[in-house]
Amino acid sequence: GAVVSQHPSWVICKSGTSVKIECRSLDFQATTMFWYRQFPKQSLMLMATSNEGSKATYEQGVEKDKFLINHASLTLSTLTVTSAHPEDSSFYICSALQGALGGYTFGSGTRLTVV
Amino acid sequence: AQRVTQPEKLLSVFKGAPVELKCNYSYSGSPELFWYVQYSRQRLQLLLRHISRESIKGFTADLNKGETSFHLKKPFAQEEDSAMYYCALNSGTYKYIFGTGTRLKVLA
Repeated sequence: GAVVSQHPSWVICKSGTSVKIECRSLDFQATTMFWYRQFPKQSLMLMATSNEGSKATYEQGVEKDKFLINHASLTLSTLTVTSAHPEDSSFYICSALQGALGGYTFGSGTRLTVV
Repeated sequence: AQRVTQPEKLLSVFKGAPVELKCNYSYSGSPELFWYVQYSRQRLQLLLRHISRESIKGFTADLNKGETSFHLKKPFAQEEDSAMYYCALNSGTYKYIFGTGTRLKVLA
């Protein structure tokens, strides 16, 4: 079946630094990928839609300059958390759309801790 | 407003008992609904979608437009069903709205 690989699975960084998270579709091409954020014991909140070759579409309330998304190829989307702060600590999950009938394949998530 | 509601945060049942995880939605158009499951320390994975009317691992879910519900059911719970279950609505242009999730615990 289709697999989405997300890397790293966890990362600790200092306040003020930037962190890049990668999301790869391993055996299929994903023109559209999605980035979610999940706080402890809460649901997944869509942050942005990443489209190959074009600018990402951000959800209301998500700072595009803080969460930089690049979808340069059909198999790779990256999320860069810039100038990270402790409140950015969260679980970030990417997903890729498989086919027209919907149903997404999710990455395993990245736990970011900013200290 | 588009919304997915899962009223139960935690549902505990005994092994062999029936299970029903509730999901209600609010959507003005024709809804496309899914159930996702997340086992401990694993990624979120698709369990079933209403459009395919399939049964996966003994689970079924019927879309009831009159009650705007998409409850997940299984007649006999098994211990390996213990997981976090999320109901999701495709709100158009492939954007998902997730419910807050229900943790199912199946007791031996």
